[in-house]
Amino acid sequence: KQEVTQIPAALSVPEGENLVLNCSFTDSAIYNLQWFRQDPGKGLTSLLLIQSSQREQTSGRLNASLDKSSGRSTLYIAASQPGDSATYLCAVRGGSNYKLTFGKGTLLTVNP
Amino acid sequence: SQTIHQWPATLVQPVGSPLSLECTVEGTSNPNLYWYRQAAGRGLQLLFYSVGIGQISSEVPQNLSASRPQDRQFILSSKKLLLSDSGFYLCAWSARGNLRDEQFFGPGTRLTVL
Repeated sequence: KQEVTQIPAALSVPEGENLVLNCSFTDSAIYNLQWFRQDPGKGLTSLLLIQSSQREQTSGRLNASLDKSSGRSTLYIAASQPGDSATYLCAVRGGSNYKLTFGKGTLLTVNP
Repeated sequence: SQTIHQWPATLVQPVGSPLSLECTVEGTSNPNLYWYRQAAGRGLQLLFYSVGIGQISSEVPQNLSASRPQDRQFILSSKKLLLSDSGFYLCAWSARGNLRDEQFFGPGTRLTVL
């Protein structure tokens, strides 16, 4: 059974700092991995999707990497802003089905 | 562009009452549709998914059921709510045949069972 772990559970940083969020998964036979952002009381916003054959994806100040063999992904946020404050969720999709397995998320607070 | 709607946004229901949550998608055809629940302190849990009208797969045994009466409509129901059904319910869609299989989520419904 796939398990996804996100460390740390919460992170507080000053504005302007570069930061890394971590995601690990137990079964390396994944189809792809997706990073989401969730604001309080809201739905999920898709940030980046990495196929199993890819090593990284970039969108603006966000860069996600994938090391499938070690079961790890990182989300790098450059020059953080208060508007980046949210919960960030990592989810992996198995190789043979539609199911996404989610981590519990990292609550990020960027202080002005 | 594609849009996903959920209603109601919030709902407070007594134990034992029925439930009907609705999700509709605009701007795409033949989507895969999903229902998730997010409970406090827990990760998102997939409840149901559907690859077509009338085709429902259940991921976990529970007090809930799902139906897909139309291509872009997905409904989550219960005949009698339990306290444990409280949570944040999210509907999502992905494009069938899209190799990226990216999932897009709706705004969610906050359900409180008292």
